[in-house]
Amino acid sequence: QSVLTQPPSASGAPGQRVTISCSGSSSNIGSNYVYWYQQLSGTAPKLLIYRNNQRPSGVPDRFSGSQSGTSASLAISGLRSEDEADYYCAAWDDSLSGLVVFGGGTKLTVL
Amino acid sequence: EVQLLESGGGLVQPGGALRLSCAASGFTFSNYAMSWVRQAPGKGLEWVSAISGRGGTTYFADSVKGRFTISRENSKNTLYLQMNSLRAEDTAVYYCAKEALSITGTTGHFDFWGQGTLVTVSS
Repeated sequence: QSVLTQPPSASGAPGQRVTISCSGSSSNIGSNYVYWYQQLSGTAPKLLIYRNNQRPSGVPDRFSGSQSGTSASLAISGLRSEDEADYYCAAWDDSLSGLVVFGGGTKLTVL
Repeated sequence: EVQLLESGGGLVQPGGALRLSCAASGFTFSNYAMSWVRQAPGKGLEWVSAISGRGGTTYFADSVKGRFTISRENSKNTLYLQMNSLRAEDTAVYYCAKEALSITGTTGHFDFWGQGTLVTVSS
């Protein structure tokens, strides 16, 4: 059972917009930044979004993040086949002596 | 170019020990905190441990506290994870990850990851 809650799966057709949610609490998302990672099959995770809504250099602007209260969301617009991957949210948790907590991950399928 | 290269994984019996290494290059190693993150087969990511840039402060997940030790040798640009009293539930791919901005601790902002090394705990 992950501290951050994500839907196990999401899907969309090419060109569509999909949103992945991440639900936490006041000790993590409610008071600390949220990070999103993309993990393509068989590879290491890659930073996708940092500090709730910032994109690292090289990440397309099709990817966007938001945070409100104790929840966060990752939106992917103009879906492409290469976006098929697992997506994880993460945050620092004040209540656990400074630990990093991850969501359980969402498997995105491009139909 | 930042590179992180893990090594030391393998098959170990329950109760055994293993030391993982992560060789870093392409950045000033001592200026950044580092973490180990693991992923059990078919499961999600789990943060395991972190260490400050100078090595003076360490952090552990409750699941490994008292069994795992994290250290670093800045002169060799290398991060270590000593794993003792291994259990079947420690079976996972272990990634080392570079903290993007922090030298003192971990925030979850990992800008570079290694390719991972597989640890299998089984008799």
